[in-house]
Amino acid sequence: ETGVTQSPTHLIKTRGQQVTLRCSSQSGHNTVSWYQQALGQGPQFIFQYYREEENGRGNFPPRFSGLQFPNYSSELNVNALELDDSALYLCASSMTGFSEQYFGPGTRLTVT
Amino acid sequence: QQQVKQSPQSLIVQKGGISIINCAYENTAFDYFPWYQQFPGKGPALLIAIRPDVSEKKEGRFTISFNKSAKQFSLHIMDSQPGDSATYFCAAIPAGGTSYGKLTFGQGTILTVHP
Repeated sequence: ETGVTQSPTHLIKTRGQQVTLRCSSQSGHNTVSWYQQALGQGPQFIFQYYREEENGRGNFPPRFSGLQFPNYSSELNVNALELDDSALYLCASSMTGFSEQYFGPGTRLTVT
Repeated sequence: QQQVKQSPQSLIVQKGGISIINCAYENTAFDYFPWYQQFPGKGPALLIAIRPDVSEKKEGRFTISFNKSAKQFSLHIMDSQPGDSATYFCAAIPAGGTSYGKLTFGQGTILTVHP
C-alpha cells in the first residue's frame, strides 16, 4: 500500500508569483484535504476535495484554489504569492470526508 | 467556537515517565478526536483517535482519556522513550455542517524525553 506523496519537497518563489503543489492520495482513498502549517503552529485547513469537487473550505482567500483528478490525486494552486504564504503545505487523504486523515510529508514553500 | 486549546506548550519528561497532554474544545459538533505526532521536517502521523461515545482508548503505550461533559480529552504516553520526542497535536473534526471534514488542530506540544 502506497502512502500519501507530495511534490516538490521544497520550493522557493518570489512574491507575486504563482505556485502549484501536487499530492497523490493513499491507495483506496477518494478524499484529499489541504492544510497550511506555519512554523511553530498547528496545521490550518485550506479546503477538501471529494470525488473531484470542493467539499469544504477554511478561511483562505480565493487565490488559493485546487483541483482533484479522476485518480483522486490533487493540486493546490496559489496565485499572487505573499511573504506570509511561506509555510509547510500538507496534503491528507482519507476514505471519506469524515474518516481518518493520513498526511503526506509536505511541501516547504518559501516566498522571498 | 471552532477552537481546540492544547496544553502545555512544551513538556520535558525523563525516560520511563508518563507524558500527559491535555486538550479542551468548545464546539459540541465535534465528533472525532485524533492525536497526531510530528517529527521535524515531516508530516503529522496519526497516533490514536477516539469518538465521544467512549471514555478511554488504549493502543500500546498511548491512551486517550475523554470527558464529554467537560469537553476535554488527553493523551497519556506511558513509559516515555527518547524516540517519543516530537511535537504532538490534538485535533477534532465535526460530523456534519459546513465544517464537515475540517480537522481543527490544537497549538501543539513539544515533548522532550531525556534518557
